[in-house]
Formats: sequence, structure tokens, C-alpha cells
Amino acid sequence: KAGVTQTPRYLIKTRGQQVTLSCSPISGHRSVSWYQQTPGQGLQFLFEYFSETQRNKGNFPGRFSGRQFSNSRSEMNVSTLELGDSALYLCASSLAREITDTQYFGPGTRLTVL
Amino acid sequence: AQKVTQAQTEISVVEKEDVTLDCVYETRDTTYYLFWYKQPPSGELVFLIRRNSFDEQNEISGRYSWNFQKSTSSFNFTITASQVVDSAVYFCALHGSGNTGKLIFGQGTTLQVKP
Repeated sequence: KAGVTQTPRYLIKTRGQQVTLSCSPISGHRSVSWYQQTPGQGLQFLFEYFSETQRNKGNFPGRFSGRQFSNSRSEMNVSTLELGDSALYLCASSLAREITDTQYFGPGTRLTVL
Repeated sequence: AQKVTQAQTEISVVEKEDVTLDCVYETRDTTYYLFWYKQPPSGELVFLIRRNSFDEQNEISGRYSWNFQKSTSSFNFTITASQVVDSAVYFCALHGSGNTGKLIFGQGTTLQVKP
């Protein structure tokens, strides 16, 4: 079974631009969660989607948004990029039989903002 | 508030030594789950174990073992006879029953195993 895939793997943008990251979950998984990883703040939860609905959201500004499609694939968008948005963005998928089902992570997208 | 603390920032051992990674958590939930993930240099978080709050039995999987003690809110991870391939960052995480899809991670412990 294929794992979680994320595209692109690397991205370089400049301040003020916007970016869209994509995540394809493991086949059959219905929940997708997104996390931001930085050296200073560690791993922080962005949001979680299930059946095309956002069920939970972390403490990030409105510039960070996401969506989920009917095939469970998910995208996250960051508008008006800031230098501090440079990070590894990880998505994770789970079966979501329970709220606390195991999350399996993709390889991440490394975003650099210049 | 929920919190996970991994007090050891970096650990360095020589191959074949045993090493224990500490994890202490805080939660008011009565039902919760604890996890360990491994992050090699490639960046992907690799799932190692999931344990629920009602199951305090220790678990062993090959060279890996986990000790869950509810009384001290700890979920420690031991690698026996460490190998160079064990070098990675290890994260402990908490998932509360009321927090849909949200893992709360510790800051991670970087383990370096030298040959």
C-alpha cells in the first residue's frame, strides 16, 4: 500500500507570495492533518479535515487555510508569505475510525521563504 | 492544557549501548493516547507505537520497549543494543480524546549512535 505522498517536496518562494501544498493520504484513509515543523517551535498542529470538513484548527493566522476533496486528498494554502513561514510542512492521514486513530506521515514539503 | 515534555535534547551513545528516551505528559483527559515517532534525516515521521491510557502494560518489539506509568505520567522508550541506524530524532506525542486529529508533540530527542 502506498504511503502518504506530498508535493512538491521542496519550494522556494519570496515574501508576499502565496503557496499551495498538496497531500494524498493512504488509500482508504479519510482524515488528513497538517503540521508545521520549525527548529524554534517544533511540531505544531495546523488543522484537520475529514469528509471535506475542517474539524479542528490550531493557533495559526488566517493566512493559513486548507481544504479536502471528495477523494480525501488535501491541500493547504499560505497567502502573503512571511520569512517565518519557512518550515517543513507535514501532512498525516488516518483511518479515522476513532478520533485518536494513528496518524501516518508523509515526507513533508520544505518551504523556504526569501 | 495538554503538554508533552522530552527533557533530553540530545543523547549520544556508542553502538550496542542501551538508551532510554524520557517522555512526560500532562492532560486532564481520562482517555488519551500516547505515541512515539522516529524522524530520520529524510524528514518523514515514522510511527513506532500507540498506547491508550487504560493499558499500562509494557510493550516490547524487537530491540524497542516502552514503559508506560500513569502514576508518574511518563511513557519512556528504551532501545536495547543500539545501532547506528537508530540515529534520528524521536518524538513523543499525546492525542487527547477531545482533540480531533491533533497530536501534541514534545520537542524531540536527537539520538546519535556512534560506531
